[in-house]
Amino acid sequence: NAGVTQTPKFRILKIGQSMTLQCTQDMNHNYMYWYRQDPGMGLKLIYYSVGAGITDKGEVPNGYNVSRSTTEDFPLRLELAAPSQTSVYFCASSYPGGSNQPQHFGDGTRLSIL
Amino acid sequence: DQQVKQNSPSLSVQEGRISILNCDYTNSMFDYFLWYKKYPAEGPTFLISISSIKDKNEDGRFTVFLNKSAKHLSLHIVPSQPGDSAVYFCAASAGSSQGAQKLVFGQGTRLTINP
Repeated sequence: NAGVTQTPKFRILKIGQSMTLQCTQDMNHNYMYWYRQDPGMGLKLIYYSVGAGITDKGEVPNGYNVSRSTTEDFPLRLELAAPSQTSVYFCASSYPGGSNQPQHFGDGTRLSIL
Repeated sequence: DQQVKQNSPSLSVQEGRISILNCDYTNSMFDYFLWYKKYPAEGPTFLISISSIKDKNEDGRFTVFLNKSAKHLSLHIVPSQPGDSAVYFCAASAGSSQGAQKLVFGQGTRLTINP
C-alpha cells in the first residue's frame, strides 16, 4: 500500500529553470493538496483539487501552477524558479467529507534553488 | 499574520511522564482542529482531531483539549514513550471549500522523550 508518492525526493535547480514535482496516490482519494514548508515554519497550502479537472488556489499560489487530469495524479509546476521557492514540498490527499477526513501526506520533495 | 501559533519550539519530557503540547489560534471561524506528528524525512502523519463543538477527544494515550473562549488547544500524551519523539504540528480549518479541508498549520513543537 504505497499511499501518497512524491518524486523526486531531492532536487537542485538554477534560478530561472522550470520543473514539475510529481505526486500520485493509490487510495482513490478525490481531494489532493500541495503544501510547502520553510525552515522553522508550518506548512502553507499552495493549491488544492477536489477532483479531476478542478483546482483552486491556496494561501501561497504565486509562482506555481497545477493540473489534475486524473484522480491519481496532481503535479505541481514551477515555471521560473526563484530562491524564495527553496523549500520542502508536501503533497497530500483525502476522501471527501470535509473537515473530518484527515489528509494523508507524502514524504516530501526537498527543493533548493541556487 | 499567523493564525495558528505553537509558542514552544521544543519540549523535553522524561519517559513515562505526561507531555503537554500547546497551540493558540486567532481565527474564531476555525471549526476543526488536528494534530499531526512528523518524523525526519517523512511526511506528517495524522494523530488526533477535535471538532469545535467538543472540548475533549481521547484516543488511547493521546487526548486533545479545546478551550474555545481562550482560543487554545492542547495535546496530552500519557505515558510518554521514546517513539513519541517527533515534531508535532497543530492545524486548523475553517469550514470546507467544496468539501476540501484548507488547513492552517502552526510552526511545530519538537518533542524529545528522554529515557
